[in-house]
Amino acid sequence: GQNIDQPTEMTATEGAIVQINCTYQTSGFNGLFWYQQHAGEAPTFLSYNVLDGLEEKGRFSSFLSRSKGYSYLLLKELQMKDSASYLCAVRDSNYQLIWGAGTKLIIKP
Amino acid sequence: GAVVSQHPSRVICKSGTSVKIECRSLDFQATTMFWYRQFPKQSLMLMATSNEGSKATYEQGVEKDKFLINHASLTLSTLTVTSAHPEDSSFYICSASVLGLDTGELFFGEGSRLTVL
Repeated sequence: GQNIDQPTEMTATEGAIVQINCTYQTSGFNGLFWYQQHAGEAPTFLSYNVLDGLEEKGRFSSFLSRSKGYSYLLLKELQMKDSASYLCAVRDSNYQLIWGAGTKLIIKP
Repeated sequence: GAVVSQHPSRVICKSGTSVKIECRSLDFQATTMFWYRQFPKQSLMLMATSNEGSKATYEQGVEKDKFLINHASLTLSTLTVTSAHPEDSSFYICSASVLGLDTGELFFGEGSRLTVL
């Protein structure tokens, strides 16, 4: 079966750096997405990786290793507004999105 | 980025009634829209794929007669929860992708929180 694993919850301090990991086992691979979802709101797109390596976008970076079935989202200079759930999603060979359960990130002052 | 608008954002209804949720793509045409359901502290669960001008494709375990989907135009898809019951209370979110966009990322509506009393 298809499976995406990410930690349920993480806690970090304002101003610090946090890395949220995502491992996947899917039928084929056509890209990996990271979305941010604040409580009670819809997800918003953060990043997309289809080739191995690091994609940087401001304070957020996303890394992909297809051979390891692994990705991480790196958040730098954490702000209180970064408190949210972070969803990892993989597009499989049928171009279907497989979603992880999300990682709830708690930022403390 | 592309804008998807969803309405209503919140709805409370009595058990046994039907509720319609609208999803509109405001600045692009969406031949395909996706309807998701999300229970508290859980991830998104795809309910169905809505295709303009044809029948929706439902995921396994989703009752097509209970969750009616109509994609009548390139900018509007509707989800009707028929004979709603308390267990249907959830956060319903629609999304669409923009044709030709390299990433194929999804753009989400604001979500509709349904509470069935």
